[in-house]
Parts: sequence; structure tokens; C-alpha cells
Amino acid sequence: EAGVAQSPRYKIIEKRQSVAFWCNPISGHATLYWYQQILGQGPKLLIQFQNNGVVDDSQLPKDRFSAERLKGVDSTLKIQPAKLEDSAVYLCASSLVRSAFLSTDTQYFGPGTRLTVL
Amino acid sequence: AQSVTQLDSQVPVFEEAPVELRCNYSSSVSVYLFWYVQYPNQGLQLLLKYLSGSTLVKGINGFEAEFNKSQTSFHLRKPSVHISDTAEYFCAVSDLQAGTALIFGKGTTLSVSS
Repeated sequence: EAGVAQSPRYKIIEKRQSVAFWCNPISGHATLYWYQQILGQGPKLLIQFQNNGVVDDSQLPKDRFSAERLKGVDSTLKIQPAKLEDSAVYLCASSLVRSAFLSTDTQYFGPGTRLTVL
Repeated sequence: AQSVTQLDSQVPVFEEAPVELRCNYSSSVSVYLFWYVQYPNQGLQLLLKYLSGSTLVKGINGFEAEFNKSQTSFHLRKPSVHISDTAEYFCAVSDLQAGTALIFGKGTTLSVSS
């Protein structure tokens, strides 16, 4: 079974530039998550999709971050404009979860995209 | 709000020694508990999870964890570590009232030397 795919693996940009990350979840997984992992910290949820609908985006800085999951499969996370504090690893995860709540399904993580903002 | 505290940021041990990585969570409601491992430049891999039932959970690579509801703890243990266990370990909780997203601790770096 293929895992969660992410690209690019690394990205270096200057502040105020824009950047986009792509995620392809495991086939058949209904739920997709984007996490931000700042150096020295644990991952923090940015946004959760159930199929192509948003379940939770309460921690997404909506003035600069946006995400979409067209057709309930692939997802793209965009930052525009980037700030220095956006330097982090962006992790995508997916799970079978059919319901947004009360699930025991395991979340499978991709390798992440390491973003450096100069 | 739910939170997870990993009590040790770094744990150095010698090969074949036992190790315990400590984790406490704050919620008083029902939770699911997880331990993930992250090797350098890789994504997170599930080691084990507690959903219900037996409080002692066995995972991959010889790791186990014990859920203690009264102490709100979920410590990870391994009786004999290998060099290859060197990695970052994250404890995480899923609050059943808040949805399926995971709340992670800050991580513990396990360094195994010979």
C-alpha cells in the first residue's frame, strides 16, 4: 500500500513570497490533515478535511494560509505572503475516518515539506 | 483545552539498557492516546495506541506503554534499546469531544549510544 505522498520535500523562499505544498493521501482515506511542526515542537493541526469539506480550521492563520481539497483526494496548502515564523515542517496525514468524530482509525503521516523562509 | 506534556526533552541511554519516556495529558474526559516515532527526515510512524480495554498496550519494535487514568499518564517503555531506536518520540492525544485531530507533546529525543 502506497503511503502519504508530499511534495516538494524542501523549499526555501524569501519572506513575502508565496509557496504551495501538495499532498496525496492514501487511496480511500476520507480524512486529511495538515500539521505544522516548528523546530523543537510537536506537530500542531492547521486544518482537517473530511472528504472535500473542512471539519476544523480554527488554528489556520487565514490571513495568509489557505488550503483546499478538490474532489476529496489531493490537497494543496498555500502560504501568501510568507513570514519568517512560517519556517517549519508541514506534515500531511490521512486516515480512513468516515465520521469527523469518535474514530479509532490511525493517522498515517507523509514525510513532510521543510520550509525555510529567509 | 487539552494538552500533552512530555516530561523529558532528551533521554540519553546506553545500548541494551531499559528506557522510559514519560507523558502526561490534561483532559478529564475520555481520550485516545498515541505514541509516534520520527526518524530524521522522515514522517511520523505510529508505535502504539490506547483506545480502551487493557491498560498495557504493546506496539512495534518491542515498545509498550501503560495507561494510568488516575495519574493521567501514558509512559512509553522498552526493556532493552538498540542504536536504531535513536529518534524523536511524540506522545499525542485525541480528545473524543473535540474530534479526531491529534494534540502532540513537544517530543522526547532518545539517543542510544554503545
